[in-house]
Amino acid sequence: GAVVSQHPSWVICKSGTSVKIECRSLDFQATTMFWYRQFPKQSLMLMATSNEGSKATYEQGVEKDKFLINHASLTLSTLTVTSAHPEDSSFYICSASSSSRKISYEQYFGPGTRLTVT
Amino acid sequence: AQSVTQLDSQVPVFEEAPVELRCNYSSSVSVYLFWYVQYPNQGLQLLLKYLSGSTLVKGINGFEAEFNKSQTSFHLRKPSVHISDTAEYFCAVSLSGGYNKLIFGAGTRLAVHP
Repeated sequence: GAVVSQHPSWVICKSGTSVKIECRSLDFQATTMFWYRQFPKQSLMLMATSNEGSKATYEQGVEKDKFLINHASLTLSTLTVTSAHPEDSSFYICSASSSSRKISYEQYFGPGTRLTVT
Repeated sequence: AQSVTQLDSQVPVFEEAPVELRCNYSSSVSVYLFWYVQYPNQGLQLLLKYLSGSTLVKGINGFEAEFNKSQTSFHLRKPSVHISDTAEYFCAVSLSGGYNKLIFGAGTRLAVHP
């Protein structure tokens, strides 16, 4: 149980275009979803936190107009990288958590999406 | 503010040897502690967590960790490692459980050699 998927797993796009990454909780309702960014051989940096039906809360230094996050349902959150540039190339990982009793106080991570901007 | 320090960026070890990956944290309030493992090009998998209770926590794949409040440490141990344990290991803290944000350490690369 508690499976989180991401799509696509790998995407290449041209500079200036936008790309959307989906994060889905497959077998539970995710009241909160998190988006992380990970550069090669580095740790995960939290970009934003989103609660279903609410605007995302962005971490300091993350451009909210560039990284659009939508948490439209209890099983789906999307991250759209707008006007992507080569410096946006990174590994993006989402995680989901639930306030239900069965899944308490734990984040479940997706497999990640490798974005390469050329 | 909370912070996490993983003292070793890389730990090489021979197969079947014991290993300890060190983690220290800083916080003025009580925290929850986690260890995650990441295999290449994959997301994170939870190894174990400390929320409360017994300070010795057992996790998956034979790993365990001990919470030491006085030393603000949460070191990860395994008595005998396998080649398949080669991966990146992250220590993380959270203020009020996993659905609050996690603060990650820089990670420790465990390399198990035959």
